[in-house]
Amino acid sequence: AQKVTQAQTEISVVEKEDVTLDCVYETRDTTYYLFWYKQPPSGELVFLIRRNSFDEQNEISGRYSWNFQKSTSSFNFTITASQVVDSAVYFCALSGLDQTGANNLFFGTGTRLTVIP
Amino acid sequence: DVKVTQSSRYLVKRTGEKVFLECVQDMDHENMFWYRQDPGLGLRLIYFSYDVKMKEKGDIPEGYSVSREKKERFSLILESASTNQTSMYLCASSSGQGDYGYTFGSGTRLTVV
Repeated sequence: AQKVTQAQTEISVVEKEDVTLDCVYETRDTTYYLFWYKQPPSGELVFLIRRNSFDEQNEISGRYSWNFQKSTSSFNFTITASQVVDSAVYFCALSGLDQTGANNLFFGTGTRLTVIP
Repeated sequence: DVKVTQSSRYLVKRTGEKVFLECVQDMDHENMFWYRQDPGLGLRLIYFSYDVKMKEKGDIPEGYSVSREKKERFSLILESASTNQTSMYLCASSSGQGDYGYTFGSGTRLTVV
């Protein structure tokens, strides 16, 4: 089964603290893609990163970094020196085959991050 | 940049009404999707389409139908709205088979009273 678990429902941090959002996935596919999206209060989901299953290199983009570990089926997201503008709901997603054989995105339930000034 | 436009941000409808949610994308994407988002449940796929006049059921198609007469437009139809369809509805499009991520619209918050 294709499944994404984001165990943290809500996280609150004080501005400038570092925060890690956890994502664990299950898949039967050997080739798959993992994604993180940000949903600010405006409602639109904003694409942050895509990672394929053959590339386990960690990635850093400014204050954002991602740690992909195939051995533990995890794709965690860290925000360094958090800012109030980082407050949003963050979704982890997995691209894989659904029960009809179509390729779709499977989303976790999201983590609401609140950064307190 | 790809843009996905949903016609309404907020909508209030009465139980039993037929409701149309419209979604238009401007980058010639083959694939379009409708999700609903509910607290604690994340995003759940209602219907998707990989081509004009083509549609496939997602995880929760009951009570919904879709229409894709033109490549750029994907409509979600609630044949007879019910209060349990009160939700945020998100439309998305993509050029690949999901491997390249999706571009989402801003969402339509539908309230059925």
